[in-house]
Amino acid sequence: KAGVTQTPRYLIKTRGQQVTLSCSPISGHRSVSWYQQTPGQGLQFLFEYFSETQRNKGNFPGRFSGRQFSNSRSEMNVSTLELGDSALYLCASSFVGLEETQYFGPGTRLLVL
Amino acid sequence: AQSVTQPDIHITVSEGASLELRCNYSYGATPYLFWYVQSPGQGLQLLLKYFSGDTLVQGIKGFEAEFKRSQSSFNLRKPSVHWSDAAEYFCAVGSINDMRFGAGTRLTVKP
Repeated sequence: KAGVTQTPRYLIKTRGQQVTLSCSPISGHRSVSWYQQTPGQGLQFLFEYFSETQRNKGNFPGRFSGRQFSNSRSEMNVSTLELGDSALYLCASSFVGLEETQYFGPGTRLLVL
Repeated sequence: AQSVTQPDIHITVSEGASLELRCNYSYGATPYLFWYVQSPGQGLQLLLKYFSGDTLVQGIKGFEAEFKRSQSSFNLRKPSVHWSDAAEYFCAVGSINDMRFGAGTRLTVKP
């Protein structure tokens, strides 16, 4: 079974621009979560989607948003990029049911100049 | 609020030596606990998980972890470390829509 895929793998943007990252979950997984990983703050939860609904959101500004499509694929968008948004953005998918476990993709490395 | 503490930022062990990585959690109910490993520039790979039952859980790559409710701990162990185990290790607690990660422990393996 194919793993979680994320595109693109690398991105360079400038301050003020916006960016959209994509995540395709493992087949059959309907939950998708997003995380931001930085050296200073570590792994921080952004939001989680299940059946096209955001179930929970972390403590991030409104510039960070996401959505999930009917095929469970998810996108996250960051508007008005700031230097501090430079990070590895990780997506994780999970089967929803007993013993729910997240499986991570390789991440998208975003550099904001 | 749930939280995870990994007291050791960096650990160095010799190849073939045993390993224990510490993890302490704070959680209001019975915790769901996980250990992940991350190689540089890569995503996180699941090593093992605990939901209930036997408090000693086995994972991939020869790793095991023991859940101790009285100590709020979920330490990761391996009896003999290989050079390929050098990576960063993350302990996590929570559910799929509210997961908290520790700061990570970077493992260096000496030849």
